[in-house]
Amino acid sequence: DSGVTQTPKHLITATGQRVTLRCSPRSGDLSVYWYQQSLDQGLQFLIQYYNGEERAKGNILERFSAQQFPDLHSELNLSSLELGDSALYFCASSADRGRGNTGELFFGEGSRLTVL
Amino acid sequence: GNSVTQMEGPVTLSEEAFLTINCTYTATGYPSLFWYVQYPGEGLQLLLKATKADDKGSNKGFEATYRKETTSFHLEKGSVQVSDSAVYFCALSDPNTGANSKLTFGKGITLSVRP
Repeated sequence: DSGVTQTPKHLITATGQRVTLRCSPRSGDLSVYWYQQSLDQGLQFLIQYYNGEERAKGNILERFSAQQFPDLHSELNLSSLELGDSALYFCASSADRGRGNTGELFFGEGSRLTVL
Repeated sequence: GNSVTQMEGPVTLSEEAFLTINCTYTATGYPSLFWYVQYPGEGLQLLLKATKADDKGSNKGFEATYRKETTSFHLEKGSVQVSDSAVYFCALSDPNTGANSKLTFGKGITLSVRP
C-alpha cells in the first residue's frame, strides 16, 4: 500500500460528459502528480501541484483541469469526454527534501475511465 | 527535452532464465534513474533507483547500474520467476528542478514468465 488513495477505481460514462477523479496523497506529501496511461501513449505526465499551486504542466488537454485543495487532496476534472480519453489515470505524490525525498514518486492504484 | 527509450516488447521467458531489459535516456544534466514495476491490476511500485553515475540499484534480485557514458540503466535479473510477470517502466527525474520533480517514463515493457 503506497498510501496514495484514488477514487473512483472504475468509471464508465458517455461521450460529452464530465467526470471528476479524486486523489489523496500520502500523509504530509505536498506534491501531487497526475499521469494518464493508455495503450498507445504509455504513461504521460499531465500536471503537478505543490502545496496548492500548479508546479509543472505536461501534455494536458484544455478540456482537462486540476486543482489541489488546502487539505492537499487533488481533483482532476475531465470534460467534453471523447472515446480517446478512455485510459487509466494515476495520481502520485512525493515527499519534500526535508522529509527524505530521494526523487521517488508514490503511485495510487489508478482510476480506470471508460468512455462509451 | 528529457526522454527515456525502452526496448520493444513483449518479452516471454521461461522460469529461471536470465533477464535483461534495456533502457537508455536523454537528459541535460544528471538525472536520477528509476525502474518501476506494475503488476496486473495494480499501480506502479518503485523497484529500484540510482541517483548518480556508477550507482547500482538493487531489489528483489533485480539490478541496474547508472552508466553515464552510455546513458543507460539496463535492468537485469539472474533467474526470473513466474511472479515477476508484470510491466516494467524505466524513468528519470528532471535534473533541473531538484526535489519534487516529475518523472519521465519509457513506454514500458511487458514481461511474461512461463513455469
